[in-house]
Amino acid sequence: SQKIEQNSEALNIQEGKTATLTCNYTNYSPAYLQWYRQDPGRGPVFLLLIRENEKEKRKERLKVTFDTTLKQSLFHITASQPADSATYLCALDEVGTYKYIFGTGTRLKVLA
Amino acid sequence: NAGVTQTPKFQVLKTGQSMTLQCAQDMNHEYMSWYRQDPGMGLRLIHYSVGAGITDQGEVPNGYNVSRSTTEDFPLRLLSAAPSQTSVYFCASSMTGTSGRYEQYFGPGTRLTVT
Repeated sequence: SQKIEQNSEALNIQEGKTATLTCNYTNYSPAYLQWYRQDPGRGPVFLLLIRENEKEKRKERLKVTFDTTLKQSLFHITASQPADSATYLCALDEVGTYKYIFGTGTRLKVLA
Repeated sequence: NAGVTQTPKFQVLKTGQSMTLQCAQDMNHEYMSWYRQDPGMGLRLIHYSVGAGITDQGEVPNGYNVSRSTTEDFPLRLLSAAPSQTSVYFCASSMTGTSGRYEQYFGPGTRLTVT
């Protein structure tokens, strides 16, 4: 079965530094990979989507990479701020279906 | 636009009771889905729909029913609640096209406790 792994341990980082979160997947090759942000007590909010033929995607301070050979996506937040503290989820779709699989998320805490 | 709305926000049920979690969206999205989120388990897909009259099972469908009579609404029914269904439930919607191509919009969630 498809599986997505994100570092379940919280990531603490000093304000101003770059945070890097990892998403590894197994067993298939998705056409798209998505990243979401979730704050406590709220639903996930979409951040970025990257296609399999894109190596990198940027949006303001966010950057996502997609390595289909390693079956890995990296999510970077540059110049991190305390307001970036949240849980970040990656998601894939089962190819040919509309079934999305989410990772368990990585909790990021940016220290002032 | 209100986006995706869910009611109720909180619910406590006794084992064996039934109830319906409501979900509505005003973005004319064809695709709607229900997830449950448990600590350490992430979001798991319960049921989804790609349009009115079309539903299908996700990863954890047992104990839940859905129907899709309109584009806007996608209710989730718990037929006989069990403590294992204690969770936070999220409804989501998106445009339909090449799978995975479109972002999902999530509702605020329903926190359900079954005693």
